[in-house]
Amino acid sequence: DVKVTQSSRYLVKRTGEKVFLECVQDMDHENMFWYRQDPGLGLRLIYFSYDVKMKEKGDIPEGYSVSREKKERFSLILESASTNQTSMYLCASSVQALYGYTFGSGTRLTVV
Amino acid sequence: AQSVTQLGSHVSVSEGALVLLRCNYSSSVPPYLFWYVQYPNQGLQLLLKYTSAATLVKGINGFEAEFKKSETSFHLTKPSAHMSDAAEYFCAVMDPSAGKSTFGDGTTLTVKP
Repeated sequence: DVKVTQSSRYLVKRTGEKVFLECVQDMDHENMFWYRQDPGLGLRLIYFSYDVKMKEKGDIPEGYSVSREKKERFSLILESASTNQTSMYLCASSVQALYGYTFGSGTRLTVV
Repeated sequence: AQSVTQLGSHVSVSEGALVLLRCNYSSSVPPYLFWYVQYPNQGLQLLLKYTSAATLVKGINGFEAEFKKSETSFHLTKPSAHMSDAAEYFCAVMDPSAGKSTFGDGTTLTVKP
């Protein structure tokens, strides 16, 4: 089975810190995605990437950036963390659209 | 543009009863449609998908869904609920050419003994 690994399950960071969330997949998938999940709001797309060094903005990219230097790794960066970025962050990958996504277990980030 | 509406943020059923979770979508192109399940403190897991083949699709754990183009719906059903089905369920729509999904707000299913 494809595995998507997010490096941290829980993180607590201070306001203004630069935060890195790491995601690694082990099945050579071209497509990778970052979503945030908030109660009652479902999942909202932050950024996605279809190939190495390629990135596209999703629906809520403000305050975030991403890096994809290697095919298997897709990093989400909070340039200056704020309390309204406290959320569950989910990484996903896919090989083709018709197969849907494989998700990681999520990183629950708290910004204090 | 695409969007998903899940009717009912919380659904409660008795063990052994029918499960029906509703999903309506909007899409400017023929879509792919997905249902995912999320157990507490976990990521999402694909339950089933519609990708323009059979309109009635079967997934894991006894779930199935029917694509109805005229009603723009993709409701999820299971004939008999089990306690282990208690989870949050997400419907998602995808533009096949874009490959990125838009998710509904989720429905939390509670199963009573």
